[in-house]
Amino acid sequence: ETGVTQTPRHLVMGMTNKKSLKCEQHLGHNAMYWYKQSAKKPLELMFVYSLEERVENNSVPSRFSPECPNSSHLFLHLHTLQPEDSALYLCASSQLAGGDYNEQFFGPGTRLTVL
Amino acid sequence: GQNIDQPTEMTATEGAIVQINCTYQTSGFNGLFWYQQHAGEAPTFLSYNVLDGLEEKGRFSSFLSRSKGYSYLLLKELQMKDSASYLCAALDSNYQLIWGAGTKLIIKP
Repeated sequence: ETGVTQTPRHLVMGMTNKKSLKCEQHLGHNAMYWYKQSAKKPLELMFVYSLEERVENNSVPSRFSPECPNSSHLFLHLHTLQPEDSALYLCASSQLAGGDYNEQFFGPGTRLTVL
Repeated sequence: GQNIDQPTEMTATEGAIVQINCTYQTSGFNGLFWYQQHAGEAPTFLSYNVLDGLEEKGRFSSFLSRSKGYSYLLLKELQMKDSASYLCAALDSNYQLIWGAGTKLIIKP
């Protein structure tokens, strides 16, 4: 595997289900991101992990719970979601900024539908 | 607040040239990115500008004016495969990317 991978690619769940999204990066990066992408809206940054520590949590509801066990893996645990949470969830990774730009590499996303 | 503006949709003809504009307002500025996203796929990096001027990469060029808070992506010799959404994003003082909603580019034969 190369780049950034995400599983599953598609997920349909009921509002009472619990599921997890997985992201893995094979680029040796030290920062990872979760984004939500809804139709015709800007990418919404949900969480940022830098060196496996959460550094950003943009007022995301508690029904979304991230986990970063190491610098290569990132999870998004989902429970009691709402239909408006249906969207494309993108994972990205980058090298930490600091005198250089942090180009982000994206995974293909998980298309989530909440019924 | 921080904001990125770009047109929602543009249409162009195969073989022609199209310019996609982006204006930004951010707290500090550390550069401007353009990404391409085909339907159902991941965004992929196209260009990065941090200094004023034009950067050329083959058929694609990106321009930045820091004083005007303005950038554009220029696509030449358009091909059908260029049909995609083009995302503009500015890097703020905290090195966080502020994203625009994307411009859907439709290429007609």
